[in-house]
Amino acid sequence: DAGITQSPRHKVTETGTPVTLRCHQTENHRYMYWYRQDPGHGLRLIHYSYGVKDTDKGEVSDGYSVSRSKTEDFLLTLESATSSQTSVYFCAIRGGTAGFNEQFFGPGTRLTVL
Amino acid sequence: AQSVTQPDIHITVSEGASLELRCNYSYGATPYLFWYVQSPGQGLQLLLKYFSGDTLVQGIKGFEAEFKRSQSSFNLRKPSVHWSDAAEYFCAVGAFNNAGNMLTFGGGTRLMVKP
Repeated sequence: DAGITQSPRHKVTETGTPVTLRCHQTENHRYMYWYRQDPGHGLRLIHYSYGVKDTDKGEVSDGYSVSRSKTEDFLLTLESATSSQTSVYFCAIRGGTAGFNEQFFGPGTRLTVL
Repeated sequence: AQSVTQPDIHITVSEGASLELRCNYSYGATPYLFWYVQSPGQGLQLLLKYFSGDTLVQGIKGFEAEFKRSQSSFNLRKPSVHWSDAAEYFCAVGAFNNAGNMLTFGGGTRLMVKP
């Protein structure tokens, strides 16, 4: 258990509304990631963070923003949700402190945009 | 840029039969390779990883995978499948970038197990 929680776990919202998803970790890891999972696409990276206030874009960042004001929290915001953003969102942290290490994933948030 | 292909979207095997899930990757350097499993409604759990050394790696739950550089493959195997192995399996390749370790995932293979 990598000590990762995500909230909410499920959310239904309407097109055009803002949505914020929260990822919380308890183990002080530097690197955190947001992915979306869609059938046939596996997981695709949205944004990642390599420290407090240090973030960068991933493969599918359009329509998403992130913030990290504390080590333990990484927020994903959909400024104006669209139906194409209906997906399952996973947060991950990178284990270890040096070199290449595996990522550990949270339980996911299922978001439906009507 | 790296990429991963899992050619089989769905696979059905009988309980007790052997299993092989295919994974092909594209990456210009020595890859870091991973297999993850996702049970329904759950997050991803790491099954095994290859970083270097012995090309046959052992993982949890009786799984193993073999790295074959000449074929750009990292296939997952299990000699005898159990009903509890029914899940979706993801292969991933890792690469360094200027700010961390990046994973690129394949599209996944959904495994169904017949009694």
